[in-house]
Amino acid sequence: GAVVSQHPSWVICKSGTSVKIECRSLDFQATTMFWYRQFPKQSLMLMATSNEGSKATYEQGVEKDKFLINHASLTLSTLTVTSAHPEDSSFYICSRRSGSGDTQYFGPGTRLTVL
Amino acid sequence: LAKTTQPISMDSYEGQEVNITCSHNNIATNDYITWYQQFPSQGPRFIIQGYKTKVTNEVASLFIPADRKSSTLSLPRVSLSDTAVYYCLVGAGAAGNKLTFGGGTRVLVKP
Repeated sequence: GAVVSQHPSWVICKSGTSVKIECRSLDFQATTMFWYRQFPKQSLMLMATSNEGSKATYEQGVEKDKFLINHASLTLSTLTVTSAHPEDSSFYICSRRSGSGDTQYFGPGTRLTVL
Repeated sequence: LAKTTQPISMDSYEGQEVNITCSHNNIATNDYITWYQQFPSQGPRFIIQGYKTKVTNEVASLFIPADRKSSTLSLPRVSLSDTAVYYCLVGAGAAGNKLTFGGGTRVLVKP
């Protein structure tokens, strides 16, 4: 069964509003989780590493004030897209490491459409 | 992380074996090779991981030559449901740390 869940699975919002996406580790306490973004017909691009109890680490070119990440507990990380614009429309995917640390489990993704 | 190069796409037919080769010329001594599968509008799914020689599990085999500068994912007797994008990644504990995805190979299985 799924070990990482995301909510919502899809969301449509108006330009200028903020959207929060939740990522839950269902069976394992995850001190680190990862957020990716994927545009149509493109590969996944790592946005940031979410760290429980500390600030997220953002990849170069990703605006930390626009994509707010909060790792509230060992099983929950949230990504908030603030003041969303149509160019933020994308597929957002989170992941966590396996218990052994040698693989990653990905969530089902969240499709964001900004009108 | 070592850069990887894969074919952009491959077509196959049901029941055939599909082999996808990934080049990773700059692989480091402590790098592992990991393959993921992604269906449309879903998150990637781990398929197989290896360090050297051959690894086999219930869904695929991974062949790694002695110089480790390439690897080949082999999918035996594919079905329509194997139509997906397959990504090859290389890195230390490659799947446990932050991952850099390349372009992937889009495999289309035809009836």
